[in-house]
Amino acid sequence: GQQLNQSPQSMFIQEGEDVSMNCTSSSIFNTWLWYKQDPGEGPVLLIALYKAGELTSNGRLTAQFGITRKDSFLNISASIPSDVGIYFCAGLPLYGNKLVFGAGTILRVKS
Amino acid sequence: DVKVTQSSRYLVKRTGEKVFLECVQDMDHENMFWYRQDPGLGLRLIYFSYDVKMKEKGDIPEGYSVSREKKERFSLILESASTNQTSMYLCASGGLAGYSSTDTQYFGPGTRLTVL
Repeated sequence: GQQLNQSPQSMFIQEGEDVSMNCTSSSIFNTWLWYKQDPGEGPVLLIALYKAGELTSNGRLTAQFGITRKDSFLNISASIPSDVGIYFCAGLPLYGNKLVFGAGTILRVKS
Repeated sequence: DVKVTQSSRYLVKRTGEKVFLECVQDMDHENMFWYRQDPGLGLRLIYFSYDVKMKEKGDIPEGYSVSREKKERFSLILESASTNQTSMYLCASGGLAGYSSTDTQYFGPGTRLTVL
């Protein structure tokens, strides 16, 4: 089936640093979604992207829908300790009605 | 605010018991989903429903069934719980029609199920 390759698998960064993670696929997607999951909780939607090339911000978070429609990235600027968690990308394939998920990026922040 | 609620945050059951996990959404979404999440395996789709009384198998439906009698409610049933069904269960709802700027999916807080 379709897969999303999410990288990096994990990151351990200093507070204040910027963070970048991305998802790629060999298939085309109509929608890209980025989620954050805290331990023991359900994923929370951070940003939704619907058009190729679209760049959307939510506070310190910025995400882009790749022009080829096969990738997306998420940036977090000036990280803080509460950014810790697992970040997932998810894509809605062309002609699909079920999301495909990346494996997640574990983010740890040193204060 | 969008709300997807799940009936229990934590549940402990014995092998062979019948288990019901309930999910309710308040966004009038057509689509509802049940996933399980296990370390190293990510999110795996068990079943989904795209309308009342309609259901479709996901990637790992064995050992599970679902019920959707009302649009806002989607239940996951473990007919005879087994220890390998110990997991985090996540319900989600969304409007995923494709080509729509309202396509998205929201998750509930999860139910941590332990089967002894």
